[in-house]
Amino acid sequence: SQQGEEDPQALSIQEGENATMNCSYKTSINNLQWYRQNSGRGLVHLILIRSNEREKHSGRLRVTLDTSKKSSSLLITASRAADTASYFCATALFTGANSKLTFGKGITLSVRP
Amino acid sequence: EAGVAQSPRYKIIEKRQSVAFWCNPISGHATLYWYQQILGQGPKLLIQFQNNGVVDDSQLPKDRFSAERLKGVDSTLKIQPAKLEDSAVYLCASRTGQSTDTQYFGPGTRLTVL
Repeated sequence: SQQGEEDPQALSIQEGENATMNCSYKTSINNLQWYRQNSGRGLVHLILIRSNEREKHSGRLRVTLDTSKKSSSLLITASRAADTASYFCATALFTGANSKLTFGKGITLSVRP
Repeated sequence: EAGVAQSPRYKIIEKRQSVAFWCNPISGHATLYWYQQILGQGPKLLIQFQNNGVVDDSQLPKDRFSAERLKGVDSTLKIQPAKLEDSAVYLCASRTGQSTDTQYFGPGTRLTVL
């Protein structure tokens, strides 16, 4: 079963607006990652936040993590048409040298020019 | 640095036929993953290799799916015989041996079973 559950399932915004996507999960994690997938392509890693971190920034991306609520949010500021894609959160759990990612179903983001 | 390579990019087969996918990970990456992504869903892990050994194959349908990673580099994933519900994108990913490192994904192989 997939641990991450993203919300909303689909999001449509105007170029220049901010996009906020949420992810909830059920069990303990070591880190949480966000990926982007353009239609017909593989996944591209966007940002990783560790379980002892609360907020992280990378360019126009801001991710937060609340381990008490088992939730994360991804904010894309000043969106562009090129941000149109599916976004997935994935929770990572380490066992020794092993790292297992569990993905949610994804959010479809459409940015209108 | 070259990324994860996969072939073929697309494959169409009839049900009950067999099919094989190939993956070449990033050079030096000890860990290799195969995922299945059904349309509208997130990727689901099928099998994980550490060098040429299997670490986790708990979600691999072993009656029809098999995978190998000879010499700890390239990997092949085979389906025999294929079913309609196997239609999906099969993604290969790799990372270094450190559990904290991120996974890098290939472009995937889109399989259609008719």
